[in-house]
Amino acid sequence: GAGVSQSPSNKVTEKGKDVELRCDPISGHTALYWYRQSLGQGLEFLIYFQGNSAPDKSGLPSDRFSAERTGGSVSTLTIQRTQQEDSAVYLCASSAQGGNQPQHFGDGTRLSIL
Amino acid sequence: AQSVTQLDSHVSVSEGTPVLLRCNYSSSYSPSLFWYVQHPNKGLQLLLKYTSAATLVKGINGFEAEFKKSETSFHLTKPSAHMSDAAEYFCVVSSSGGSNYKLTFGKGTLLTVNP
Repeated sequence: GAGVSQSPSNKVTEKGKDVELRCDPISGHTALYWYRQSLGQGLEFLIYFQGNSAPDKSGLPSDRFSAERTGGSVSTLTIQRTQQEDSAVYLCASSAQGGNQPQHFGDGTRLSIL
Repeated sequence: AQSVTQLDSHVSVSEGTPVLLRCNYSSSYSPSLFWYVQHPNKGLQLLLKYTSAATLVKGINGFEAEFKKSETSFHLTKPSAHMSDAAEYFCVVSSSGGSNYKLTFGKGTLLTVNP
């Protein structure tokens, strides 16, 4: 029933700290995606999961960014040693399968790095 | 590689008048195209999707879009704007083949609806 759920909705942290962002996809959706939305860059693809595997990590901007998915459900995006340029809205989406199935988005986590 | 160009960053209309949001795409194959809407502090909601069936696609909330291959366009229209339509709209194209999960977003068009 519920849509894609992301937490926290807002996160403010100091430069250099690590942060974890959580995504709970629609039940039964095997595909999960992370995107970043920032003023200068628009919406950017970060990573794609099919089940617990990530066949495409090509959008992760640096090795400070990592993501995992467990039980074919919840996913966590971790940013280590945060920098000010990491400030953005991080959006998670899920779809019933991979391919060009419609992706359903959560409301995002607004991350601010001081 | 595919790309999407939204021709207007901001469109302003009066309530009850037609809406036209323009989108051109570039692709070397027959693409899947989408329109998404984003209200403030919300995620993206799918309005409609084109996947090589009918060229005129009807979506939610009275929106529709027409795929024109000869013009490489996928413009979004609505006959009569409502105040609740004020939001940002994104035209989106998906990649081909094994990467067809990967979406490429336009820069967005902010729609303002005046009373």
